[in-house]
Amino acid sequence: AQSVTQLDSHVSVSEGTPVLLRCNYSSSYSPSLFWYVQHPNKGLQLLLKYTSAATLVKGINGFEAEFKKSETSFHLTKPSAHMSDAAEYFCVVISTNAGKSTFGDGTTLTVKP
Amino acid sequence: DTEVTQTPKHLVMGMTNKKSLKCEQHMGHRAMYWYKQKAKKPPELMFVYSYEKLSINESVPSRFSPECPNSSLLNLHLHALQPEDSALYLCASSHPGQGREETQYFGPGTRLLVL
Repeated sequence: AQSVTQLDSHVSVSEGTPVLLRCNYSSSYSPSLFWYVQHPNKGLQLLLKYTSAATLVKGINGFEAEFKKSETSFHLTKPSAHMSDAAEYFCVVISTNAGKSTFGDGTTLTVKP
Repeated sequence: DTEVTQTPKHLVMGMTNKKSLKCEQHMGHRAMYWYKQKAKKPPELMFVYSYEKLSINESVPSRFSPECPNSSLLNLHLHALQPEDSALYLCASSHPGQGREETQYFGPGTRLLVL
């Protein structure tokens, strides 16, 4: 069994300040973990992924995430928010070869000028 | 090229109409997916095709009928839909079975409105 919990449904930051979007997971096996971003009326774009290599993963647009097995977490961070980062963010886990992924409920990121 | 294309971008249909959604990828992926996404919600998996065979059907009503004519194309045939079927329909593709590195690449979606 696998599940994902995104701890914040909404996060609001000021432009130029750090971003932290939190994700906890549960998995019976070693998981692969992903962060996707979805801008309004668009599809999902892959930001980054963890697949059992380095625990600190760097993605596109300055985002990075750290896999912490002891805390079952995969939080997404960015040092300095841009207005263009305002979007919906989804944390996703896959822990089997069955082709099924589990999505978190999403976090809406608002960036204030 | 990590592009998945979907047509049409928007679709309005009546409850008695028959229409089809199309998805195409040229990344050599052999797994393709249909998701349904309602507003302010995460995508919900509908179907998975692996090597052109239906491998997962998440108990989707029969008014949705998927088809995978070849390794690059995925269709979703719609018939007698209900207004609650209005949603964004997303297609995705990935390499199947490569351990757990099944990174899914998503298309831009088709926005469906059922009247």
